[in-house]
Amino acid sequence: NAGVTQTPKFQVLKTGQSMTLQCAQDMNHEYMSWYRQDPGMGLRLIHYSVGAGITDQGEVPNGYNVSRSTTEDFPLRLLSAAPSQTSVYFCASRYQETQYFGPGTRLLVL
Amino acid sequence: RKEVEQDPGPFNVPEGATVAFNCTYSNSASQSFFWYRQDCRKEPKLLMSVYSSGNEDGRFTAQLNRASQYISLLIRDSKLSDSATYLCVVNPHFNKFYFGSGTKLNVKP
Repeated sequence: NAGVTQTPKFQVLKTGQSMTLQCAQDMNHEYMSWYRQDPGMGLRLIHYSVGAGITDQGEVPNGYNVSRSTTEDFPLRLLSAAPSQTSVYFCASRYQETQYFGPGTRLLVL
Repeated sequence: RKEVEQDPGPFNVPEGATVAFNCTYSNSASQSFFWYRQDCRKEPKLLMSVYSSGNEDGRFTAQLNRASQYISLLIRDSKLSDSATYLCVVNPHFNKFYFGSGTKLNVKP
């Protein structure tokens, strides 16, 4: 099993550009989520999904959209990137108590 | 007020030392508690869940104090490989998890 995979590993955007961060898992987990991690802030929940077709907002959802058309994939879309969205983004899937994280995407918005 | 607060450290300890971290949480209705470990520039990984009665996994012991709303992690006989950031995680709402900012541990030879 590949576990949770994320692409790209690194990305540089200009303010106002849009992009989609990809996340996929092959463990057939229903629950998936997106977090951002900033220095001194810990991980903050952006959006989560409890199954295909079901998504909900987390702690910091503004500026991000998600959809869940399949169990495997949970992409995160930035519609108009802002410098405040410079961060490391982690996708995770969960089975029972354990969250399994992807390797992260480092995003720099200039 | 933050949902979860941790001392950022760093805690610098020699090999073989015992070290303890605390974490406080604000929502008294929280039901699930965890410690995750994060190595530099890597993803977090579950270290252990924290149960009401306390639990132990080898050199690691986790405790929960509901009255004072804190959880603790004790590491005995520290190894160089224990150097990492330890994240406290609390689950106060169904399907939502709140992470502390982490406590950095440096174990030195």
